[in-house]
Amino acid sequence: AQKITQTQPGMFVQEKEAVTLDCTYDTSDQSYGLFWYKQPSSGEMIFLIYQGSYDEQNATEGRYSLNFQKARKSANLVISASQLGDSAMYFCAMRENNAGNMLTFGGGTRLMVKP
Amino acid sequence: DSGVTQTPKHLITATGQRVTLRCSPRSGDLSVYWYQQSLDQGLQFLIQYYNGEERAKGNILERFSAQQFPDLHSELNLSSLELGDSALYFCASSQGGQGNQPQHFGDGTRLSIL
Repeated sequence: AQKITQTQPGMFVQEKEAVTLDCTYDTSDQSYGLFWYKQPSSGEMIFLIYQGSYDEQNATEGRYSLNFQKARKSANLVISASQLGDSAMYFCAMRENNAGNMLTFGGGTRLMVKP
Repeated sequence: DSGVTQTPKHLITATGQRVTLRCSPRSGDLSVYWYQQSLDQGLQFLIQYYNGEERAKGNILERFSAQQFPDLHSELNLSSLELGDSALYFCASSQGGQGNQPQHFGDGTRLSIL
């Protein structure tokens, strides 16, 4: 079974609107972490936001927030007020406590922001 | 700029050859991770080093090896290269080897096998 599933291969959003990128995960660990990374067309991987499994509050970093629903095993990324520079691939990743510190990545979602 | 430096940025070589990819972690980071990104396999963890010691191993082929030196820089050696080894290879670093510390990625080395 896939550990990280991103069901939206591609999405469009209008500039200045909010967008939600979906991520569901599968783990039997009680302690784990969820990360989102952005990969622009230039190729680098940029860390955006982190959510720990024991964190009670949803993580926020500027225009990025993470909608964490533990019982549903989902960790969706919300980008508010989309900008043209947000056009990129977005990857959800998980670190499981019992698997060391390696990250397992989903297949990614390509976000395209329309002017 | 993540602070993680990878060289070279691009590498073109032929099947059967051997290459070395180099990574300098962010200042103060003790853990180094190597990942491979290919079209068919996506992003896959290869190996982790922490303060010079191998900490975890993922889907790393026997033809690949890595090490972390006393100055904490790391090298990934790929030998007997095959066409399927063409990929973007990332190095990432974090302060320690655990927990909620994010891994910061370098810009990657794009390896093309002809």
